[in-house]
Amino acid sequence: EVQLVESGGGLVQPGRSLRLSCVASGFTFNDYAMHWVRQAPGKGLEWVSGIGWNSGSIGYADSVRGRFTISRDNAKNSLYLQMNSLRPEDRAFYYCAKGSEKWEIPTPLDYWGQGTLVTVSS
Amino acid sequence: EIVLTQSPATLYLSPGERATLSCRASQSVSSSLAWYQQKPGQAPRLLMYDASKRATGIPARFSGSGSGTDFTLTISALEPEDFAVYYCQQRSNWISFGQGTRLESK
Repeated sequence: EVQLVESGGGLVQPGRSLRLSCVASGFTFNDYAMHWVRQAPGKGLEWVSGIGWNSGSIGYADSVRGRFTISRDNAKNSLYLQMNSLRPEDRAFYYCAKGSEKWEIPTPLDYWGQGTLVTVSS
Repeated sequence: EIVLTQSPATLYLSPGERATLSCRASQSVSSSLAWYQQKPGQAPRLLMYDASKRATGIPARFSGSGSGTDFTLTISALEPEDFAVYYCQQRSNWISFGQGTRLESK
């Protein structure tokens, strides 16, 4: 069974940093691209960032480029999102999601974690 | 950036009725379009990919069509569990989502 478990969310002041983690199980992690998607409470989905199976391809939404950094550790089956210079508008649930096609990026997202809430407020 | 526009924003229907949801892309995405369903308090679930292919375990009452810039998700006969928010997603140029269509029971 595929499982994606996010952690690292919480309350942080504007301008500060936070690092999200996602631990994956139930599939061969290093075969698939992984993504972060966020959703402000009561709002729609926004793709944040994606990373290829070997970290060779990385993309960011314009809203986070230059502030957020995605990375992965295939030995630990883990995905990360380093978020710097956080703004109140970054407040959202952050979902880790798995790409559906081996070695391809981007793809549909066939498994999602339950999300971790990031709140940016003074 | 490819912008996806979904319509209508909210659709009011009754169980048993047919639902038709639309997604329009700001430029061609070929058939690289997926649909997701999201219920309150849950993560999104992949329904359709490559415009017309059902994901694993998705009932046959869900179907998708379209290519280029105009796409449709059809639910042939609504079940009570189908009332949710639906999002389209393109993967032609990285990833972007539509703003969602809320399907509500009349």
